Amino acid sequence: TQLLEQSPQFLSIQEGENLTVYCNSSSVFSSLQWYRQEPGEGPVLLVTVVTGGEVKKLKRLTFQFGDARKDSSLHITAAQPGDTGLYLCAGPYNNNDMRFGAGTRLTVKP
Amino acid sequence: EAGVTQSPTHLIKTRGQQATLRCSPISGHTSVYWYQQALGLGLQFLLWYDEGEERNRGNFPPRFSGRQFPNYSSELNVNALELEDSALYLCASSLDRSNYGYTFGSGTRLTVV
Repeated sequence: TQLLEQSPQFLSIQEGENLTVYCNSSSVFSSLQWYRQEPGEGPVLLVTVVTGGEVKKLKRLTFQFGDARKDSSLHITAAQPGDTGLYLCAGPYNNNDMRFGAGTRLTVKP
Repeated sequence: EAGVTQSPTHLIKTRGQQATLRCSPISGHTSVYWYQQALGLGLQFLLWYDEGEERNRGNFPPRFSGRQFPNYSSELNVNALELEDSALYLCASSLDRSNYGYTFGSGTRLTVV
């Protein structure tokens, strides 16, 4: 069982559409992070959310941390082919290393 | 500022052999983390080194081991390679993982044949 469950596992949409991906856990996290990974590269940090209920915007990307700090969502407005990649959420485990979800693989078709 | 560097980029080994993967963290980062990413899967935590000491390890057999050198670079060793060890091995370093997250290298693609 994954500590962090991400859904959907795969998502294929047309350019210009909106989408939301989710990251859920039964555990409370002090913070959650979102990364994007492109083929042949390591993941790149997009955002860190720390406060329950927090909303952060990064251009067309909106990140939300659940009030109970057990879940997070990533919403992309007007998706573009450049948004294609594997989106990973991660959180600190027992104040040690970071644990990652299995990711959502997004494909945006032109 | 140089990022996290990993070598080699690709490595092909025969089942039963040993593999050694290397990682240099960002200057000033004392912690190095190793993750395994099998095809189509997420990142599985392998090892965490800080200040030359192993701080934590994931649910992997003892044939996965490593070390951190005085300059904070790190080595991951995989002994008695098995076919299922084929994966992308990612190294990351961090100044403060909770606030600034990890900076990852591009990984070493290990193929066991």
